[in-house]
Amino acid sequence: GNSVTQMEGPVTLSEEAFLTINCTYTATGYPSLFWYVQYPGEGLQLLLKATKADDKGSNKGFEATYRKETTSFHLEKGSVQVSDSAVYFCALTPSGGSNYKLTFGKGTLLTVNP
Amino acid sequence: DVKVTQSSRYLVKRTGEKVFLECVQDMDHENMFWYRQDPGLGLRLIYFSYDVKMKEKGDIPEGYSVSREKKERFSLILESASTNQTSMYLCATRGGGASQETQYFGPGTRLLVL
Repeated sequence: GNSVTQMEGPVTLSEEAFLTINCTYTATGYPSLFWYVQYPGEGLQLLLKATKADDKGSNKGFEATYRKETTSFHLEKGSVQVSDSAVYFCALTPSGGSNYKLTFGKGTLLTVNP
Repeated sequence: DVKVTQSSRYLVKRTGEKVFLECVQDMDHENMFWYRQDPGLGLRLIYFSYDVKMKEKGDIPEGYSVSREKKERFSLILESASTNQTSMYLCATRGGGASQETQYFGPGTRLLVL
C-alpha cells in the first residue's frame, strides 16, 4: 500500500534559520505529492504541491521538489519566521483512477523562537 | 475561495450518546472526507463520499457512520460515543477529475467523550 514517512520532530529553530523537513514515500506509479500546514487551533491548509517528477512546488518561501529517483519530497525554507510555527504534514494521492484518498505522514511540529 | 465549515469547534459528550458532526462546503465538490487526527498518529481516513448518497469506508470506519443526503453536506455519526473516540475530527472536500487533487479542510471539531 501507499505510505508516507516524515521526520517526526519536534523541530525547534531560531528565527532566520534554514529549515528542512524530510519526507519519503512509497507508492506505485506517479502519485501527486503535497505539503499541508496546520497552524495552532486550525484545520489543514495546502502549502504546496507537485504532480510529476522533477516538479518544484513553492509557496510563502517554502519549496519542495518531487524526486522520483529517491521517492522524496523534502520541505525547505531558507529563513524561517516565528509565524511559521505549525505542524507540517507530507501527503500523497495516487495517480489516476478513482482513488482520491490522501495518505498522510504523521506530521512534524515546528517551533520557531525569536 | 473554497469554504468548508464544521458545525462545532468544540464538543463535549457522554459515553453512549449519539453524536452528529456536520460539514458543509460551498464549492459544489463531489468528494467529501472525514478524518480523525490524533497525536503521533497523524490523520486517518474514517469515511469518504464521492457523490450524494454514496459512501466508502476509509481506514478506520468502526464505530462511525456517515450520511450524504445533499451534495454540500456530509455528516459523521457516532452511534454510541466511547472515550476512545475523543479526538480532533477534520472534514475535507475535493473536486472531481484527476486534475483536481487538492483537498480543502475545515477548521476541525475537537470532541471530548467523557
